[in-house]
Amino acid sequence: EAGVAQSPRYKIIEKRQSVAFWCNPISGHATLYWYQQILGQGPKLLIQFQNNGVVDDSQLPKDRFSAERLKGVDSTLKIQPAKLEDSAVYLCASSYGISYTGELFFGEGSRLTVL
Amino acid sequence: AQSVAQPEDQVNVAEGNPLTVKCTYSVSGNPYLFWYVQYPNRGLQFLLKYITGDNLVKGSYGFEAEFNKSQTSFHLKKPSALVSDSALYFCAVRDSVSNFNKFYFGSGTKLNVKP
Repeated sequence: EAGVAQSPRYKIIEKRQSVAFWCNPISGHATLYWYQQILGQGPKLLIQFQNNGVVDDSQLPKDRFSAERLKGVDSTLKIQPAKLEDSAVYLCASSYGISYTGELFFGEGSRLTVL
Repeated sequence: AQSVAQPEDQVNVAEGNPLTVKCTYSVSGNPYLFWYVQYPNRGLQFLLKYITGDNLVKGSYGFEAEFNKSQTSFHLKKPSALVSDSALYFCAVRDSVSNFNKFYFGSGTKLNVKP
């Protein structure tokens, strides 16, 4: 079974530039999550999708961050314009569904450095 | 409010000695508890989970964890540490009341196993 795929693995941009990250969850997984992990901290949920609908985006900085999962499969997270404090690893995770009591499956992450 | 606390930023242990990484939680309803491990520049890998049943759960790589409801704890343990166990460990909780499969992560504990 293929795991959660993320790209790019690394990205370096100047502040005020834009960046996009892509995630393809495990086949059949209805729930998709984007987490932000700042160095030395635990993952913080940015947005959670159930199929192509948003379940929770309460911690997404909507003035600069956006995310979509148009066909209920892969997802894109965009930051525009980026700030220095956006430097972090962006982790995508998926699970079978919101009623599933098991674990989340994580991708390898996309490391963003904002200069 | 749901939360997870990992009181130790770092745990140092000699190879061959037992290790414990501590986790306490606060959650509505019965908790679903998880441990993940993160190696440098990698995503989070699932180690083990407690959903219901025996308080002692066994997971990958010889790790186990003990659920203690009265102390609201879920400490990760291993009888004999390996140098290769050196990594960042995260405890996570999902409450059984929420319908949204939302996970809350601790801040992580860095485990250093010295030869």
